[in-house]
Amino acid sequence: RKEVEQDPGPFNVPEGATVAFNCTYSNSASQSFFWYRQDCRKEPKLLMSVYSSGNEDGRFTAQLNRASQYISLLIRDSKLSDSATYLCVVNPYSGYSTLTFGKGTMLLVSP
Amino acid sequence: DGGITQSPKYLFRKEGQNVTLSCEQNLNHDAMYWYRQDPGQGLRLIYYSQIVNDFQKGDIAEGYSVSREKKESFPLTVTSAQKNPTAFYLCASAYPGSNQPQHFGDGTRLSIL
Repeated sequence: RKEVEQDPGPFNVPEGATVAFNCTYSNSASQSFFWYRQDCRKEPKLLMSVYSSGNEDGRFTAQLNRASQYISLLIRDSKLSDSATYLCVVNPYSGYSTLTFGKGTMLLVSP
Repeated sequence: DGGITQSPKYLFRKEGQNVTLSCEQNLNHDAMYWYRQDPGQGLRLIYYSQIVNDFQKGDIAEGYSVSREKKESFPLTVTSAQKNPTAFYLCASAYPGSNQPQHFGDGTRLSIL
């Protein structure tokens, strides 16, 4: 079983749509969780950390379900500039940051 | 401005040649990392260092070497033993602690001549 699994997409949505990305992880002892965004041929950039109680940052909402080992990212009112690949990232260890990356889900927002 | 600087942006390697990728950070982060990304693939960890003068192998360390003589610097050497070096190489750094995200430089694209 892959350590972090994501739907590869691409997800094609019109501007203004709501889109949800899902991610599952295999290590039940995983400590921390993040969503990164990667534009084509660029470096990944931190979008948001994911907290146990769920958290929101503007149009973006992240949820964590430890029992199901499942993470989600919801984007509301999609913008053209949201087009990118979204990476689900998990830290399976305590004490230091060593991240495991999913392959990412590509989002294409069209006018 | 604080950040992570990778150089060069593009690099070409001849057969049998070693090449070194530079990574410098002024974020005062203790931990530094090197990843490789192939087209359509996720990031794979090559080496990481939690503290100066110490580093550990990641998942795909064969054919690579690193050093960590200064907190700010973590150069990666791609040796001739790495038979398929063409990839996008990303350096990252982070504060200590499992809840700390990593921050990335803008990468080096390595190709074979």
